[in-house]
Amino acid sequence: QSVLTQPPSVSGAPGQRVTISCTGGSSNIGAGYDVHWYQQLPGTVPKLLFYGNSNRPSGVPDRFSGSKSGTSASLAISGLQAEDEADYYCQSYDSSLSGYVFGTGTKVTVL
Amino acid sequence: EVQLVESGGGLVQPGRSLRLSCTPSGFTFGDYALSWFRQAPGKGLEWVGFIRSKTYGGTTEYAASVKGRFIISTDDSKSIAYLQMNSLKTEDTAVYYCTRPRRAYFTTDNWFDPWGQGTLVTVSS
Repeated sequence: QSVLTQPPSVSGAPGQRVTISCTGGSSNIGAGYDVHWYQQLPGTVPKLLFYGNSNRPSGVPDRFSGSKSGTSASLAISGLQAEDEADYYCQSYDSSLSGYVFGTGTKVTVL
Repeated sequence: EVQLVESGGGLVQPGRSLRLSCTPSGFTFGDYALSWFRQAPGKGLEWVGFIRSKTYGGTTEYAASVKGRFIISTDDSKSIAYLQMNSLKTEDTAVYYCTRPRRAYFTTDNWFDPWGQGTLVTVSS
């Protein structure tokens, strides 16, 4: 059972901006632990998209941006493209569970 | 190029055991920790366990759902990591991924990259 909550799906037309939220609590994001994001394209393995709340690995387009505030984090995709259709997961650490936790996952659909 | 390749998945009956292997390449095996994750069919990602690098004792941490049943180990002579899964349950059915954590030790700010291609474990009678 995931302790980080994400919307099941978001959608947008090509070129639009969409935002994915990741809501946690006082034992994970609210405790100050970093949030990382992964992209899982259909039929593929997860790929690191952001680390440390807002840092992009090399090769990730700057259309993607990340932020964190309080007990939540957000991933924004600007200039949505068809290739952005994927499942997106946030990840952090939870002190109550003493382990790494993921969000419930969000499916991004490009209309 | 850093790569991780999992193997050993398959169909197994409830209550039985299975051992998965993770063969990394492109980096010095002993300098890094390794972690296992899983993804049930059509579901999200779940952390399974973590083994620290030898520098940090090579000790392990596990998710509550597998603690006492799963064991992570390494064979340094072969540069292979293992996930020994005992007393398997139907809810353990998933694709299992091996990943490389950012830090060689178990810490709150770890992220995981890259991920192997995964190996499917199906627990069913």
